[in-house]
Amino acid sequence: EVQLLESGGDLVQPGGSLRISCAASGFTLSSVAMSWVRQAPGEGLEWVSTLSGSGTSIFYADSVRGRFTISRDDSKNTLYLQMSSLRDEDTAVYYCAKDGGTFAGYMDVWGKGTTVTVSS
Amino acid sequence: EIVMTQSPATLSVSPGERATLSCRASESVSSKLAWYQQKSGQAPRVLIYYASTRATGIPARFSGSGSGTEFTLTISSLQSEDFALYFCQQYAKWPRTFGQGTKVEIK
Repeated sequence: EVQLLESGGDLVQPGGSLRISCAASGFTLSSVAMSWVRQAPGEGLEWVSTLSGSGTSIFYADSVRGRFTISRDDSKNTLYLQMSSLRDEDTAVYYCAKDGGTFAGYMDVWGKGTTVTVSS
Repeated sequence: EIVMTQSPATLSVSPGERATLSCRASESVSSKLAWYQQKSGQAPRVLIYYASTRATGIPARFSGSGSGTEFTLTISSLQSEDFALYFCQQYAKWPRTFGQGTKVEIK
């Protein structure tokens, strides 16, 4: 069964850093594109970043470019999102999601999410 | 970026009735449009991709249509488990963008 499990969410002060993880099972991360999508409290969904299966293509939303870095460890089959210079508006549930194809663009499997709270 | 606009924001429907949700793109996305359902406290799940293809395990009462800039998600006969939030998402261009959502509630 294909599953995604996020972890690492925490309370962080503004300006701080945090790395969240997404452990994949039932498939190999290097075979598909993977994305991070976030949802602020009571709000809609916001795409954050995507890493291609080959690892050669990376995309970021303007709101996080230069502050967030997406990466993966193939030996652990785990996706990461390194977040720095965190702001109040980064407070959200962060979901990792698997692409529906090699690089289709829609997301067919989602994790349950991990909560990041940025507050002093 | 492509702006996705969903309407209505809230749809009140009685069980067994038909629900029609709309999604409009600010420019053409061809058929690169997905629909997701999100229940309270849960992660989203994909219902429809490429505008009209049902995802694995999605009941036939869910159908999608449209292309270009106008899209529709139809739930033919609402079941109790269908009352939820629905989002559309375009994947024609970067950045990927979502609509603000339509809440389907019990009338």
